[in-house]
Order: sequence, then C-alpha cells, then structure tokens
Amino acid sequence: DGGITQSPKYLFRKEGQNVTLSCEQNLNHDAMYWYRQDPGQGLRLIYYSQIVNDFQKGDIAEGYSVSREKKESFPLTVTSAQKNPTAFYLCASSIARGETQYFGPGTRLLVL
Amino acid sequence: GIQVEQSPPDLILQEGANSTLRCNFSDSVNNLQWFHQNPWGQLINLFYIPSGTKQNGRLSATTVATERYSLLYISSSQTTDSGVYFCAVGFSGNTPLVFGKGTRLSVIA
Repeated sequence: DGGITQSPKYLFRKEGQNVTLSCEQNLNHDAMYWYRQDPGQGLRLIYYSQIVNDFQKGDIAEGYSVSREKKESFPLTVTSAQKNPTAFYLCASSIARGETQYFGPGTRLLVL
Repeated sequence: GIQVEQSPPDLILQEGANSTLRCNFSDSVNNLQWFHQNPWGQLINLFYIPSGTKQNGRLSATTVATERYSLLYISSSQTTDSGVYFCAVGFSGNTPLVFGKGTRLSVIA
C-alpha cells in the first residue's frame, strides 16, 4: 500500500538530548513537510523540501534540523536548542509544492 | 501577516443533523485545502478547493475566492465525523500552507 509512515509513535527526550523523528513515503512525491501541533492549535510549518538535497525553513525552524538525501525520506532532528519540544509532530507529502498534501500518523514527543 | 480564521471553534451535533463550517482568509489564495483530524491525530485530506464547489458523499465544500471564504458542509452527520476540521490556505506563488485553528466537531448518538 502507498502511504506515509512515521516512527516512532511516541518518543521521550531527556534534557540536552537530540532526537530524530523518521518520515518515509512511497508515493513518489517530490515535496515533503514537517509540522508541529500543540494542544488545541492548528499546524505550524517547521521545514519543507521540494526536491532531494534541498529544503527550506518554515515559520518555526529554530531548534530543528532536517535532511533530504533520498526522495522517500525526510527525517527531522529536534535538537537540544529547542527548549519546548513537547508536541505532536506531523509529516506530510505532496506530488509537488502547492498540491494536495497527505499526512502520516504523527509522532508524539514528550520531554522527561 | 496572513490570517486564517475558522468558525465556530466548537460544535456539538446530534447524529443525523447537518452543519456548516466556515473558513475566512485575509488574502487572495491559489490553494485551499480542508482536512479532518480524527481523535487519534490522523489528518485526512477532504478537499482541494481553491475555488468553486465539490462534493464527496455527505461532504461538500464551496470556496468563493473573491469574497475570501470557504464553507464545508456536512450532511446527516455520524459519530465517525467527530474530530477537528482544519482549513489551510496558500497564497501567491507556491507559498506554504497556513492552517487555521480548526473547528472541533462532536457528534453525539
């Protein structure tokens, strides 16, 4: 089945630790996105990528980093510089930027 | 900055009732999408509708771009329609989507 997978479903981070969230798609989509959702809020864009080896900052990129070495994969690293990382993280993809976006099931990150 | 406002913020319906959700936006759009987020967090794309009207089963959507609003209609609501409905818009060129804060719908049997 074609789709978007995210792992892990739940992730716990200790103070000062970097953690990486996985996002994989087999839809052959060029564009991929990372969003953050806080309780009772809409989604805010962290980073997006229109093509392999290229990515752009979104509205809240500070404290996060990404890579796009393969078309299928767009991992997000939450660094120790992100002081309030507890949130629900959603990955999405689209055929191209500006087209219909499809979402993965999300990763819930909690700080210990 | 870019503003996307959704109303109402919360809505409680009896099963079988109809509802209309509204999305207002502050600038011309070339991309508007409606999503449903279920209670487990999964977002499903409902419509890609920068203008005009579309229907899919009990759901339909209308966007009047010149008046900067979009409406999502849910007819004969079911308990499985519960969740949060988000409107997201993209403005000139291929700018990233900006999401509203959503309408939380609860359908009671």
